[in-house]
Formats: sequence, C-alpha cells, structure tokens
Amino acid sequence: KQEVTQIPAALSVPEGENLVLNCSFTDSAIYNLQWFRQDPGKGLTSLLLIQSSQREQTSGRLNASLDKSSGRSTLYIAASQPGDSATYLCAVLSGSARQLTFGSGTQLTVLP
Amino acid sequence: DGGITQSPKYLFRKEGQNVTLSCEQNLNHDAMYWYRQDPGQGLRLIYYSQIVNDFQKGDIAEGYSVSREKKESFPLTVTSAQKNPTAFYLCASSTEQGWGLDTQYFGPGTRLTVL
Repeated sequence: KQEVTQIPAALSVPEGENLVLNCSFTDSAIYNLQWFRQDPGKGLTSLLLIQSSQREQTSGRLNASLDKSSGRSTLYIAASQPGDSATYLCAVLSGSARQLTFGSGTQLTVLP
Repeated sequence: DGGITQSPKYLFRKEGQNVTLSCEQNLNHDAMYWYRQDPGQGLRLIYYSQIVNDFQKGDIAEGYSVSREKKESFPLTVTSAQKNPTAFYLCASSTEQGWGLDTQYFGPGTRLTVL
C-alpha cells in the first residue's frame, strides 16, 4: 500500500528566504506526483504536477523535483512571501484504480 | 464559471442523525471523489465514482454511503454508524487524461461537527 510522508510538519521562515519542502513515497510505480496548496478552512489548489517520466516542473517561484527511483520529491520556494503561508500537500497517483495518496502536509508560515 | 460546489459550508449533527453533504460539478468530469481530512493530517479517501451509477469504497468507507445518479452530482451521507464524523470533508472531480496528466479539482469543503 502506498504511503506518503512529508517533512517537516511545520516550518517558519522570515520573508525573502528560499526554502525546501520534502516528500517521500514508498511505491515508486506512480503515474504522477502533485503538490497542492491549502489555505485554512479551504479546499486544495494544484500547484505543480510532475509526470512519472519527468524530473522537475517549474511555475514562477516554485520548482518541484521528482526522483522516482528513490521515492522522493522536493518543492523549492524561492524568495518566500507572507502570502505563501499555507499548508502544502504532496500526493502521488498510483495503483490500478489511479488513486491519489496524500501526505499529511507541511504547514508553512512566512514572517514579514 | 466551471468548478465544484459543496454545501453547506458548515454542518452540525446530533448523535444518531444521518446527514447528507452535497457536491456538484459543472466540469463535465466523469470521476468524482470524497475525502475526509482530520486536523494535521492528509486527505483519506472515503468513496469514489468513475462513472454514473457506479461507485467504489475507498480506505475509510465504513459509516458512509454515496449515490451517483447524475454525472454532475455525488452526495455523501454520513450515517449514525460513523463513530467519529467530526472532520472536514472535501469533494473532488477529475477526468482521466492519460500519460500521467490526471489531476483532481477540489471543492471548498464542508466542516461537519457532531454536537
């Protein structure tokens, strides 16, 4: 059964810092890996999707990498801003039913 | 505007009551999903439906029921058999694009509290 782990559970940084969020998964037979953002009491917004054949994806100040063989992904946020404060969730799509398995998230706080 | 709507935003249930959470999408997606989120945890799959009139249990289906009579709608009933229903419930939909491009679109969620 696929399991997804995110480290750290919470992170607090001053504005302007570059930061890295980590995600690991146990079964490397995945279709894709996605990073989502969740604001308090809200639904999820997709940030980046990396297909299993890809190594990384970029969107603005966000860069996500995927090392399928080692079961790891990182989300790099450059020049962090207070508006980046949210919970970031990693999820992998896998299995015959093509289900998403989520990590428990990293709660990010960017201090002004 | 295309999207997913969930209602109500907040729901309160007394012990022993069944309650139904609404989920509607106008994205023309075939697949729909219900997830449960507890504080500090990721999402866990309750039920999913890949086509009208068909649905499958997810990892934590006990105490829940669903129906899928229309493509646009996938209501979730939380029954009195669910021992700890207080949680944040999220509905999602997706279309299988192949080549690993599948992604799910999420509604704004319903927060259910048992009194």
